[in-house]
Amino acid sequence: SQKIEQNSEALNIQEGKTATLTCNYTNYSPAYLQWYRQDPGRGPVFLLLIRENEKEKRKERLKVTFDTTLKQSLFHITASQPADSATYLCALDGQAGSYQLTFGKGTKLSVIP
Amino acid sequence: NAGVMQNPRHLVRRRGQEARLRCSPMKGHSHVYWYRQLPEEGLKFMVYLQKENIIDESGMPKERFSAEFPKEGPSILRIQQVVRGDSAAYFCASSQRLDRLTQETQYFGPGTRLLVL
Repeated sequence: SQKIEQNSEALNIQEGKTATLTCNYTNYSPAYLQWYRQDPGRGPVFLLLIRENEKEKRKERLKVTFDTTLKQSLFHITASQPADSATYLCALDGQAGSYQLTFGKGTKLSVIP
Repeated sequence: NAGVMQNPRHLVRRRGQEARLRCSPMKGHSHVYWYRQLPEEGLKFMVYLQKENIIDESGMPKERFSAEFPKEGPSILRIQQVVRGDSAAYFCASSQRLDRLTQETQYFGPGTRLLVL
């Protein structure tokens, strides 16, 4: 079955630096990959979607890359701010015939002023 | 536009009681998904529904759990005879699904936190 791993449970970074989060997957070739943000006690909020034929996608201070050879996605937040502190979730589309999203456990990012 | 709405936000039940969780999708969305998030665990898919149809319930426990999305009204996730292990956050998401290659993003509600005593 498909497996998705996010590189670390927690990541601390100094304000103003670039945060880089990693998502690796196995046993699957997704059509797309998504990144969500989740704050404590809240539901996930969609950030970016990148398709298998796209290498990179940007949205304001966010950048996502997708390497289907390495089976890896990198999520970057440039000029990080304390307000960026949250848990970031990586999600894959379901296997052929399935419509569910498979989520990683998330990486908790703390941006230190 | 109102987002996905879920109620109640918090629900406390004693073992053996029934829990009913409601989800109203975003306006214009006809596809609903339910996920469960256990403490320190990732979100796990439970069921995918369209109006009046269950499309995929592969993540749903075989017993005690059921879901519906009637023609009128919200989607309901029903848990009968709850046990302590059912304590979790239950999230509903909705989308305007077209097909797998043009999957619209799933938008999540705030969740219902179920506590079974």
